[in-house]
Amino acid sequence: DQQVKQNSPSLSVQEGRISILNCDYTNSMFDYFLWYKKYPAEGPTFLISISSIKDKNEDGRFTVFLNKSAKHLSLHIVPSQPGDSAVYFCAASEDTNAGKSTFGDGTTLTVKP
Amino acid sequence: NAGVTQTPKFQVLKTGQSMTLQCAQDMNHNSMYWYRQDPGMGLRLIYYSASEGTTDKGEVPNGYNVSRLNKREFSLRLESAAPSQTSVYFCASSEVRQSWGYTFGSGTRLTVV
Repeated sequence: DQQVKQNSPSLSVQEGRISILNCDYTNSMFDYFLWYKKYPAEGPTFLISISSIKDKNEDGRFTVFLNKSAKHLSLHIVPSQPGDSAVYFCAASEDTNAGKSTFGDGTTLTVKP
Repeated sequence: NAGVTQTPKFQVLKTGQSMTLQCAQDMNHNSMYWYRQDPGMGLRLIYYSASEGTTDKGEVPNGYNVSRLNKREFSLRLESAAPSQTSVYFCASSEVRQSWGYTFGSGTRLTVV
């Protein structure tokens, strides 16, 4: 059973508009939720995280929203830029589990100029 | 540059051959991880090491062994490679604070023929 799901394999947006990437989870024991960005032939890079006790975290153009009752989180990128084109992974981890994270399958974001 | 270094970047093995993937980090992180990524899928945890001297199985440990040689180095060994182990392998490290996310290496692309 996949505990972290990204149901949209791909998303295409126009430069300057908002990108919204979604993620659902099933394990209510997760304490942290994280987003990573991955370019081809590179390792993922950490983007932003949110604790399970918060509902929003913002860092520049990136904002993550958490809805615990719906077991849903989303990453908003405003405004989107062509350099944001990459695969975005949602991940979740528990405090008591040595920091190991469970990843979704990723969403490929394409930002068109 | 500080970070996680993986070697080799590419490898082709014949079925039944063995090899060791090397990983080293210079950020003084306690925890280290090995993930594999198959096409169209997320990262799946193979093994992890919460601290020097400890290792534990992740989601997909069969066919692999690991060694936490010291705080810096965490190696992954394939004793008898199989075509199902064709994948991209990522090593990562992290601080205790999970909200800071992982630092990943650039990956090893392994093909077993």
